[in-house]
Amino acid sequence: AQSVTQLGSHVSVSEGALVLLRCNYSSSVPPYLFWYVQYPNQGLQLLLKYTTGATLVKGINGFEAEFKKSETSFHLTKPSAHMSDAAEYFCAVREYSSASKIIFGSGTRLSIRP
Amino acid sequence: DAGVIQSPRHEVTEMGQEVTLRCKPISGHNSLFWYRQTMMRGLELLIYFNNNVPIDDSGMPEDRFSAKMPNASFSTLKIQPSEPRDSAVYFCASSQTGNTEAFFGQGTRLTVV
Repeated sequence: AQSVTQLGSHVSVSEGALVLLRCNYSSSVPPYLFWYVQYPNQGLQLLLKYTTGATLVKGINGFEAEFKKSETSFHLTKPSAHMSDAAEYFCAVREYSSASKIIFGSGTRLSIRP
Repeated sequence: DAGVIQSPRHEVTEMGQEVTLRCKPISGHNSLFWYRQTMMRGLELLIYFNNNVPIDDSGMPEDRFSAKMPNASFSTLKIQPSEPRDSAVYFCASSQTGNTEAFFGQGTRLTVV
C-alpha cells in the first residue's frame, strides 16, 4: 500500500533563507510523486511532479525536488524564501498508473519570517 | 477551461439533514476523486472513480456517505443524515488518462450545526 510521510507539520524560515520540506514515501511499484501547494481558503495547486527520467524536477515559483529511490524520498527545496511562499505544502504519491488513486501526506505549513 | 467546479462553496446545515455536494470535472478527464480535509485528519481520500465507475470507496467513513457519477461531467457526494463531525472542507479533483496529476476544485466548506 502506498503512503506518504511529511516530516514536520510546521516549518519556519527567514525571508531569503533556504526552504527544505521533507517527504518520504512507500510504494510497491515505482510511483509518480507530486508536491502541491494550498493557500488559505483555496484548493490545491500542483507545484511539480516526478514521473520518469530526470530525478531533479523543477516546478513553479522557483521550487524543485529530487527523487531519490534509494532513500524513498522526494524533498522539496527553494534556495531563497519569499514572503509569498507562506502556505501549506502537500507531498503526494500515485502508483505507476494514471488510473490509480493519489495519496497525500499530512502537509507542512511553511511560515516566512521577515 | 474553467477547471474543476464545485458547488456550493459553503454549506451550513443542521444535524440530521441531508447534504449534497456537487462536482463538475474538467472536460475530457476520466478519473474523479473526492477528498475531505480537516485539521485533525488532514486530506483523506474518500472515493475515486475511473470512467464513471467507483474503483475504491474504502475511505468513505460510513454508510451515511454515498457518491455517484452518473456521467462523465457530473458527480455528487451525499451525506444523510449529516452530523457535526462531518464538518470539513470537501474537495473534488479530476485527472486524465495519460497525465498523472489531479486538478482540484476550490472545495466546499461544510458546517453541520
